[in-house]
Amino acid sequence: DAGVTQSPTHLIKTRGQQVTLRCSPKSGHDTVSWYQQALGQGPQFIFQYYEEEERQRGNFPDRFSGHQFPNYSSELNVNALLLGDSALYLCASMRTGSTQYFGPGTRLTVL
Amino acid sequence: DAKTTQPNSMESNEEEPVHLPCNHSTISGTDYIHWYRQLPSQGPEYVIHGLTSNVNNRMASLAIAEDRKSSTLILHRATLRDAAVYYCILRDVFRRTGANNLFFGTGTRLTVIP
Repeated sequence: DAGVTQSPTHLIKTRGQQVTLRCSPKSGHDTVSWYQQALGQGPQFIFQYYEEEERQRGNFPDRFSGHQFPNYSSELNVNALLLGDSALYLCASMRTGSTQYFGPGTRLTVL
Repeated sequence: DAKTTQPNSMESNEEEPVHLPCNHSTISGTDYIHWYRQLPSQGPEYVIHGLTSNVNNRMASLAIAEDRKSSTLILHRATLRDAAVYYCILRDVFRRTGANNLFFGTGTRLTVIP
């Protein structure tokens, strides 16, 4: 049984560009959350998707948006990239009310 | 969300027990205590969680104070593979249905000495 998978593993973009990160949840999981982890910090919650809708959102600007597909996979989109968006982006999945399982993350570098 | 306080770093010798403390003096009656760890270059990994009683699983034990204002994660025999950042997190089981996300602090960096 594959766990949570994310693609790509690493990504380099320049300021002002747009990026899309992808996540496939663990089998049987219907809820996906996204987190941003800056170097030396703990992960910070961005938003959560359930039944293809954003259910809860953290303190992140509208440049951060997402989508969940009928197969429960999810995308995170970031527009107008800033240098400060450089971070590890983590996806976590769960069945509603259960423990969250994290993927290995996508390392985004903005130059 | 209720705040937790953990030491920034701890060291342990290999094959010795490790006790990782966490203070959560503002914990509410519906907050579960969760522990996750993050190995280098990996996403966080669930370790254990509990509400009031002490809990054991194959990875660790969780000791919860009677007043629930503190807890301790116990690794019974530290190995080099246990070197990681350990996060203590409170999660309100009754927060808006299903929207039970995790709010991480900076955690405790555990170094295991061979």
